[in-house]
Amino acid sequence: GAVVSQHPSRVICKSGTSVKIECRSLDFQATTMFWYRQFPKKSLMLMATSNEGSKATYEQGVEKDKFLINHASLTLSTLTVTSAHPEDSSFYICSAREFPGSKQFFGPGTRLTVL
Amino acid sequence: DQQVKQNSPSLSVQEGRISILNCDYTNSMFDYFLWYKKYPAEGPTFLISISSIKDKNEDGRFTVFLNKSAKHLSLHIVPSQPGDSAVYFCAASENDMRFGAGTRLTVKP
Repeated sequence: GAVVSQHPSRVICKSGTSVKIECRSLDFQATTMFWYRQFPKKSLMLMATSNEGSKATYEQGVEKDKFLINHASLTLSTLTVTSAHPEDSSFYICSAREFPGSKQFFGPGTRLTVL
Repeated sequence: DQQVKQNSPSLSVQEGRISILNCDYTNSMFDYFLWYKKYPAEGPTFLISISSIKDKNEDGRFTVFLNKSAKHLSLHIVPSQPGDSAVYFCAASENDMRFGAGTRLTVKP
């Protein structure tokens, strides 16, 4: 089955610093990658959808200048949390699909802790 | 290495009948298991969870069963309704969270 990886798996940073999270599709080319944030009660919130080679589409309420998403290749998307604050501490999960309508595969997630 | 597997990509059930979605895992260190439901063009929504210290958790029409010795969990939906038609993901957590590939459930009226 298709595999999606994320790096790092966990990161601790100081308030005000920026953190980059990578999402890679390991055995398929992902034209679309999704970034989610997990909130209490285990619900996942879609933050943005990124299509390779174009700007990400952000969901309402998600600050695009704070959560920078780059999808420069068919196997890699990055999420950069800029000037992170403690309220950004969360579990961030990416998913990827090969083409519209194909199955979506999830990464293992990245736990971000901002001190 | 897929630590969480949903071997049935799709399932079709008649309205009113029971839907049983299965999930297997390989990592015995997982201590928390979750089911998510996903409609097209939407993010997954949390449905029900179970801790590894339990073998059953029930919430309305949804029941999750955990068989630790078999490393298997299942989601039962009864009675199934057409609105239950969606993709269901199981997930398992120790520190990280691992998702299965999903099972598309279709409930026919």
